[in-house]
Amino acid sequence: KNEVEQSPQNLTAQEGEFITINCSYSVGISALHWLQQHPGGGIVSLFMLSSGKKKHGRLIATINIQEKHSSLHITASHPRDSAVYICAVRGYGGATNKLIFGTGTLLAVQP
Amino acid sequence: GAGVSQSPSNKVTEKGKDVELRCDPISGHTALYWYRQSLGQGLEFLIYFQGNSAPDKSGLPSDRFSAERTGGSVSTLTIQRTQQEDSAVYLCASSVGQFNEQFFGPGTRLTVL
Repeated sequence: KNEVEQSPQNLTAQEGEFITINCSYSVGISALHWLQQHPGGGIVSLFMLSSGKKKHGRLIATINIQEKHSSLHITASHPRDSAVYICAVRGYGGATNKLIFGTGTLLAVQP
Repeated sequence: GAGVSQSPSNKVTEKGKDVELRCDPISGHTALYWYRQSLGQGLEFLIYFQGNSAPDKSGLPSDRFSAERTGGSVSTLTIQRTQQEDSAVYLCASSVGQFNEQFFGPGTRLTVL
């Protein structure tokens, strides 16, 4: 079992739909990152959070430390949101130097 | 540009050859990371540099892999005696500090024939 699990692995939505991508982890963490990777493109950091909720434009990220779970929400989805969304966690102490990545969620938003 | 740059963008090499991949982090960023993304697999950590501290090499898959960071800025990842399983996209990222947001470079796609 991976230390970071994402669901769903694949998601197809219609333009305008509200989208939720989930991330569960099994290790203690000091922070959680949400990343976006467009096909053939580079990786962009969307959020870094250790508690509560953060919002940027149409994107919202939440984290529940007790339940070891985070969600990424996209409101009013658009075809340009089509990408792979990756959850990554940073551990404690000697494990703070590296990120442990989920396998990603491939999102396709159809017009 | 002010972002992380990597070179080359693509590298095709023959099995057994050595390759060097270069990363130019954002100026002033003290933390630098190398990651690997293999086809059909997720990202995996390779090595981490922080200032003048000894690097964290815990993610390097074998002793054929090494990396250095000169002058606290540019980093080079070297793969000796490349194997076909080394084929992947190698990504570099930098951040202001260890606990800050990471900015990723565009990656180097390595193909070992």
